[in-house]
Amino acid sequence: NAGVTQTPKFQVLKTGQSMTLQCAQDMNHNSMYWYRQDPGMGLRLIYYSASEGTTDKGEVPNGYNVSRLNKREFSLRLESAAPSQTSVYFCASSVWGGSTDTQYFGPGTRLTVL
Amino acid sequence: GENVEQHPSTLSVQEGDSAVIKCTYSDSASNYFPWYKQELGKRPQLIIDIRSNVGEKKDQRIAVTLNKTAKHFSLHITETQPEDSAVYFCAASYNQFYFGTGTSLTVIP
Repeated sequence: NAGVTQTPKFQVLKTGQSMTLQCAQDMNHNSMYWYRQDPGMGLRLIYYSASEGTTDKGEVPNGYNVSRLNKREFSLRLESAAPSQTSVYFCASSVWGGSTDTQYFGPGTRLTVL
Repeated sequence: GENVEQHPSTLSVQEGDSAVIKCTYSDSASNYFPWYKQELGKRPQLIIDIRSNVGEKKDQRIAVTLNKTAKHFSLHITETQPEDSAVYFCAASYNQFYFGTGTSLTVIP
C-alpha cells in the first residue's frame, strides 16, 4: 500500500514549456486534490475532484488544468509554464471529500520555471 | 473565502518545555480543524484534528483546543523533543481546506 504517489519528484522547465504532473492513490479514495506550497504562503488549493468524473476550481486555478483519469489518478497540467508557477506541488486524497474528511498527502513535486 | 491566520511564524523552545501555536479563522461555517506536521523536504502529515462539536482533544503530548465563539484554535505540545522540530500548519475547512502560513518550530537540545 503506497498511499499517494507523485511523479516526477523534481522538474525544471523553461518559460512557455508545458508539462503534466501525475498523481495516483491506492487507498480507494473518492476525492483528490492539487495544492501548491510557496514559502510563507502555506498550502493553497489549485483544483480538486470530489469524485471520479468531476473537477472543481480551488483558490488558485489560473494557469492550470486537471484531469481525473479514473478513480486512482488525478493529473495537473501546466500548458505554458511561467516563473510564478515555481513551487512545490502536493497531491492529496481523502475518502469522500467532506469538509471533515482527513486528507493524505503525496511526497510532492518540486518545480522550477526559468 | 475563509482566511486562516497562524502565529507565531517561528518558535524556538528548550527541550522539555511546552510549545503553543495559535490560529484564527474568519468563517463561522468552518467545522473541521486539522493540524499537519511537515519535516524538511517531506510531505505534510496529520498529527491531530478537532471537529466543531468538541472543545478539546488530546493525544499523548499533543493537544488541540477550539474556541468557536472567538474563532480560534491552538496546538499545544508538551515535553518537547528534538524530533518535534518541523513546520506545523493549521487548517480550517467547511467546503475545502484553508491552510495557515505555518510555524517553524525548533526544539533546542
